[in-house]
Amino acid sequence: DAKTTQPPSMDCAEGRAANLPCNHSTISGNEYVYWYRQIHSQGPQYIIHGLKNNETNEMASLIITEDRKSSTLILPHATLRDTAVYYCIVRVASFTGGGNKLTFGTGTQLKVEL
Amino acid sequence: GAVVSQHPSRVICKSGTSVKIECRSLDFQATTMFWYRQFPKQSLMLMATSNEGSKATYEQGVEKDKFLINHASLTLSTLTVTSAHPEDSSFYICSANEVTLTEAFFGQGTRLTVV
Repeated sequence: DAKTTQPPSMDCAEGRAANLPCNHSTISGNEYVYWYRQIHSQGPQYIIHGLKNNETNEMASLIITEDRKSSTLILPHATLRDTAVYYCIVRVASFTGGGNKLTFGTGTQLKVEL
Repeated sequence: GAVVSQHPSRVICKSGTSVKIECRSLDFQATTMFWYRQFPKQSLMLMATSNEGSKATYEQGVEKDKFLINHASLTLSTLTVTSAHPEDSSFYICSANEVTLTEAFFGQGTRLTVV
C-alpha cells in the first residue's frame, strides 16, 4: 500500500469548513484513497473513499487532484463532535476479506473549537 | 453501515491470567476479521488476520501462542490474551468486512488493563 503524509494536527472553528490534506505521491493506478476517523477511545469510523473522481456523502467530501498524488477531506460545517484523529489510507479496494486490512499512519488530530 | 460489536469494552485483569475479547458482526457475515492494538498516543497496529474456519495469520513480531485467535463462525472472532502482563495493557480493536463492500467496519474497542 502506498504511503501517505498528513499534518500531525489542525484546528478549526466550529461551523467552519475543515480541510484535511493528504499526500500520496506514490499511489498506484488501482489504489483508492480511504478516510477514517477515530474519536478518542473509540474504534475507527469509515468516512469516505474514492479512486479519482471527487466524492461526497452525508459526512464529508473528498477532493482528489487530477494526478492523484494528493487529496483533501472536507468537513463542510465542523462541529465539536468532529474532533478526532483523521486517517488517510491508500490501498487497493478488495471484495475479498483478506485484501481489506488497513495500514494506519499517524493521522491528523483535528481539534474543533468554539 | 455494517455494525461490528466488541465485548467487553473494558476489562481489568491480574497479571498471569487470560482474557478473552469477542468481536461480532451483527448484521452481516464476515469471512475475515482483523485485530489491531493501539498503545496510548500511537496509531493502530495490525496484529493478525482472522479467517473463518482456518488458522489466523499473524503480523511479524506478534506471538501467536500469546494472542490466540478463534474464528469459529461467520459472525464471531475471539482474541484471547494468555498469561497477560502489564505490558499487554492496550486498546484492542477488531474490524470486519461485509463481502459486497470494500470498506472495513470497526468495533468500539476493548480497553485492557493488566495489574
